[in-house]
Amino acid sequence: AQKITQTQPGMFVQEKEAVTLDCTYDTSDQSYGLFWYKQPSSGEMIFLIYQGSYDEQNATEGRYSLNFQKARKSANLVISASQLGDSAMYFCAMREGISRGSQGNLIFGKGTKLSVKP
Amino acid sequence: GAGVSQTPSNKVTEKGKYVELRCDPISGHTALYWYRQSLGQGPEFLIYFQGTGAADDSGLPNDRFFAVRPEGSVSTLKIQRTERGDSAVYLCATSSGGANEQFFGPGTRLTVL
Repeated sequence: AQKITQTQPGMFVQEKEAVTLDCTYDTSDQSYGLFWYKQPSSGEMIFLIYQGSYDEQNATEGRYSLNFQKARKSANLVISASQLGDSAMYFCAMREGISRGSQGNLIFGKGTKLSVKP
Repeated sequence: GAGVSQTPSNKVTEKGKYVELRCDPISGHTALYWYRQSLGQGPEFLIYFQGTGAADDSGLPNDRFFAVRPEGSVSTLKIQRTERGDSAVYLCATSSGGANEQFFGPGTRLTVL
């Protein structure tokens, strides 16, 4: 069974508007972390934002915020005021066992391709 | 400071050949990960090192794949008897103790003809 599901293969957004990229996850672990990475056409994975399962506040980093709904097991990324440079692939990822000090691997979704229109 | 570097950036080889892919981590990062990304997919975990030892190699697809990190810094991913299905981008990532974020290198694009 997929642990990370990103149901939007592609998304379009007008420059300066906000966009939400969906991510749902599946885990039986009570302690986990959720991550979003951006991958431009150059190929490098760029870390954007992190949310721990025990964090009570939704994470924010500049124009990025994470809409964390634990009961629904969703961790959607919201990008405000989209810019042309935001056009890229976006990956949601999870790591289990965070509070146990686990430094284990990330489990990635298939990604969403975001295109920002001028 | 310098980020994670990977060499070569591109590697073309013939079916059946042996290849080595190298990862230079961020200085001081104790955890090192190898992932494989096929076209149109997210990265898939291969192996994770904590220091010199492989803490988890459950993602290696078969015994043709092997990785080492002899001094706890540079790591080499080795693929024997390459197959066309091994063609992918191989990504290396590292993190420091206690940190959650993984920093990725630019990847090595492997093409097996």
